[in-house]
Amino acid sequence: GIQVEQSPPDLILQEGANSTLRCNFSDSVNNLQWFHQNPWGQLINLFYIPSGTKQNGRLSATTVATERYSLLYISSSQTTDSGVYFCAVAQGGSEKLVFGKGTKLTVNP
Amino acid sequence: NAGVTQTPKFQVLKTGQSMTLQCAQDMNHEYMSWYRQDPGMGLRLIHYSVGAGITDQGEVPNGYNVSRSTTEDFPLRLLSAAPSQTSVYFCASMRTENSPLHFGNGTRLTVT
Repeated sequence: GIQVEQSPPDLILQEGANSTLRCNFSDSVNNLQWFHQNPWGQLINLFYIPSGTKQNGRLSATTVATERYSLLYISSSQTTDSGVYFCAVAQGGSEKLVFGKGTKLTVNP
Repeated sequence: NAGVTQTPKFQVLKTGQSMTLQCAQDMNHEYMSWYRQDPGMGLRLIHYSVGAGITDQGEVPNGYNVSRSTTEDFPLRLLSAAPSQTSVYFCASMRTENSPLHFGNGTRLTVT
């Protein structure tokens, strides 16, 4: 099956810093999503982005499907951005979303 | 809309007991799924459904059963609980295979 690798596994920032999280996948996909799991365990959908670029406030994401990677950018990070960020992908014709192991982000005040 | 609702939030079972984790969504989504989350393992797909009456297996289906008698509900049954099933379980739904996935708040299950 398709493999999903996220990097880095852990990231520690000071408030106000910018960061880039990466998601690599092993095969072509027609579905790619980014999620944030907050410290209370809730999973929030950030982006549905099988290709192209999207922005939502301080967060933006870019997927280059032909090169099999996606990037999540967080600008001017805040302590509330702390948590684990997951990338999930599905191949064409499949409803099975496969998750990476996540990037744990800690933003210190 | 309440979104995706899971019950219970917490559950403790003894080995060999059975139980059902409930999941309901009020967004008229066709696709529903169950994931388990274990430390260092990310989220792994247990079972999923693309519509009422249709279910299929994910990566880790053994020890779990599902059914989808209505669009709204997708219960997960543990037939004979084992300590290896100690985990956090998430139910999720999406409108179609190419739309955002929405999660419930999870059920933390401990099997002793």
